[in-house]
Amino acid sequence: AQTVTQSQPEMSVQEAETVTLSCTYDTSESDYYLFWYKQPPSRQMILVIRQEAYKQQNATENRFSVNFQKAAKSFSLKISDSQLGDAAMYFCAYRGNQNAGGTSYGKLTFGQGTILTVHP
Amino acid sequence: ETGVTQTPRHLVMGMTNKKSLKCEQHLGHNAMYWYKQSAKKPLELMFVYNFKEQTENNSVPSRFSPECPNSSHLFLHLHTLQPEDSALYLCASSQVQIRGGGEQYFGPGTRLTVT
Repeated sequence: AQTVTQSQPEMSVQEAETVTLSCTYDTSESDYYLFWYKQPPSRQMILVIRQEAYKQQNATENRFSVNFQKAAKSFSLKISDSQLGDAAMYFCAYRGNQNAGGTSYGKLTFGQGTILTVHP
Repeated sequence: ETGVTQTPRHLVMGMTNKKSLKCEQHLGHNAMYWYKQSAKKPLELMFVYNFKEQTENNSVPSRFSPECPNSSHLFLHLHTLQPEDSALYLCASSQVQIRGGGEQYFGPGTRLTVT
């Protein structure tokens, strides 16, 4: 079974600074997807960024970027120029390829989450 | 309405009550999911529906009964719940496709309290 581990229960950053959230995962599959979701106090889960395992290039979405290390099974999220609105719980999630015939069809496996506080 | 909506947003029920949670997706997706989010625990997948067929039941107690009448609507029927079932219940949808991210889009959740 796939597992996702976020070893940082809480992180904090000063506004305009950069912060990196860590995520590691365990899988025997070679083709899969990784995601970072953000859950602000409103509890609405929002997709931040996606990485496809077969792509070596790290995904980037504006101020959000990832450092994907497939061999190390590591998938960290870097938030640049942090803003007060970035304060939230961040979840790392894994999903196997839907056409792979594997057991993780359609299923997201989440990490425990990291609470990010942004100080003004 | 856009995205994924859930009703009610808050629900308080006694252990002998029967209630239902409703989820509706307006994204044209073909898969829908129920997740449970408890304090200090990772999100737990409960059920998966793909093209209205249940493809996964993650050992969920029978007091939770899902229903998916069409690809846009998903229900979670609740009966004789326990206090430990108090949690945030999140609904999500995605587009199942041969290649592609199949990102899941979430609703705002229903905060359930069992007294």
